[in-house]
Amino acid sequence: SQQGEEDPQALSIQEGENATMNCSYKTSINNLQWYRQNSGRGLVHLILIRSNEREKHSGRLRVTLDTSKKSSSLLITASRAADTASYFCATAPWGETSGSRLTFGEGTQLTVNP
Amino acid sequence: DSGVTQTPKHLITATGQRVTLRCSPRSGDLSVYWYQQSLDQGLQFLIQYYNGEERAKGNILERFSAQQFPDLHSELNLSSLELGDSALYFCASSAGSNEQFFGPGTRLTVL
Repeated sequence: SQQGEEDPQALSIQEGENATMNCSYKTSINNLQWYRQNSGRGLVHLILIRSNEREKHSGRLRVTLDTSKKSSSLLITASRAADTASYFCATAPWGETSGSRLTFGEGTQLTVNP
Repeated sequence: DSGVTQTPKHLITATGQRVTLRCSPRSGDLSVYWYQQSLDQGLQFLIQYYNGEERAKGNILERFSAQQFPDLHSELNLSSLELGDSALYFCASSAGSNEQFFGPGTRLTVL
């Protein structure tokens, strides 16, 4: 079963607008990662935020993590048509230092209209 | 390009058959993971190997097995295939508890 729940399931915006996707999870985590997947293709790693971090930036991406609420959000600013993809959050459980399974959410399908 | 390679890209086979999927991790990564992505189950963790040893098991069927070789490449063996095994199979690798980098996947179609 999926640990993460993502909200919304689908999001359609215009180019230049910001897109915000949310992810909730259930258990204690070591880190939370966001991935992008273009239709039927491989997953591209976007950003990792550790459990002791609250916010992280990478280019047009901003990720926040609230461990008390067991939730994270991904903000994509100034969106482009090329950002159209499915976005997944994935959590790594607490306590494993030699790598660990990722539990994925169901994903948010983002469509950016030109 | 993540640095993780998977072969083959596509595989079409019949029910009851056996197939082997191959994965080469990024240079230096000791951990290899296998995931299955299907429409009804989403992305599911199957199994992890770390430096040749099985480290964690997820929702992997008994008909499926995997191994990691001394050169760190990994193979996922799927046997007695059923229609429901049709899915995208991803391999990922990581260094420690860091980012997992995914390969392009193998699309398996069971007819």
